[in-house]
Amino acid sequence: DGGITQSPKYLFRKEGQNVTLSCEQNLNHDAMYWYRQDPGQGLRLIYYSQIVNDFQKGDIAEGYSVSREKKESFPLTVTSAQKNPTAFYLCASSQGLAVNTGELFFGEGSRLTVL
Amino acid sequence: KQEVTQIPAALSVPEGENLVLNCSFTDSAIYNLQWFRQDPGKGLTSLLLIQSSQREQTSGRLNASLDKSSGRSTLYIAASQPGDSATYLCAVLNTGNQFYFGTGTSLTVIP
Repeated sequence: DGGITQSPKYLFRKEGQNVTLSCEQNLNHDAMYWYRQDPGQGLRLIYYSQIVNDFQKGDIAEGYSVSREKKESFPLTVTSAQKNPTAFYLCASSQGLAVNTGELFFGEGSRLTVL
Repeated sequence: KQEVTQIPAALSVPEGENLVLNCSFTDSAIYNLQWFRQDPGKGLTSLLLIQSSQREQTSGRLNASLDKSSGRSTLYIAASQPGDSATYLCAVLNTGNQFYFGTGTSLTVIP
């Protein structure tokens, strides 16, 4: 059953700690994305990756870091430099336009709360 | 930069009513437009995708239309049900594989 798996679903962090959110996809998609969703706001792009070992900053990359060592995996680290990390984080993937329609698929999300 | 707007922000209708959700975008140079549904605390579920060359797509009680030249899309929901209650978001795909999202319309269908 193909899809995107995010873990953990809920995560609590103390101030000053780094945390890593996992995102795994078995859709064989080239492109992967991390978005942040806050109440009353639209989705904001944190980082995206079009291909393995390459990624680009989105609109709100400060305080976050990513890696793309494998096609299936795109973990997001929320560092202590992120001043307001409490939010709902969504991972997404797309095959891209070269071979497909560019349809975007999402995981179930991870809710991070800073204590 | 592409801007996507969804009006209204919230909508409440009685069960059985047909309804229309609106999405507008400022840059007509899009590859596709996608409608999503989001339930509270969940991820986004893709409902319909319209390619830039298409005018509409249908799935069950849902019909989405696209007028690229005017920068508008509508999502039509027929015979609404309480289970349709959710937030509906639209997104457009621009050049460079960049997606731009609206802030969504929160729909409540009253039994």
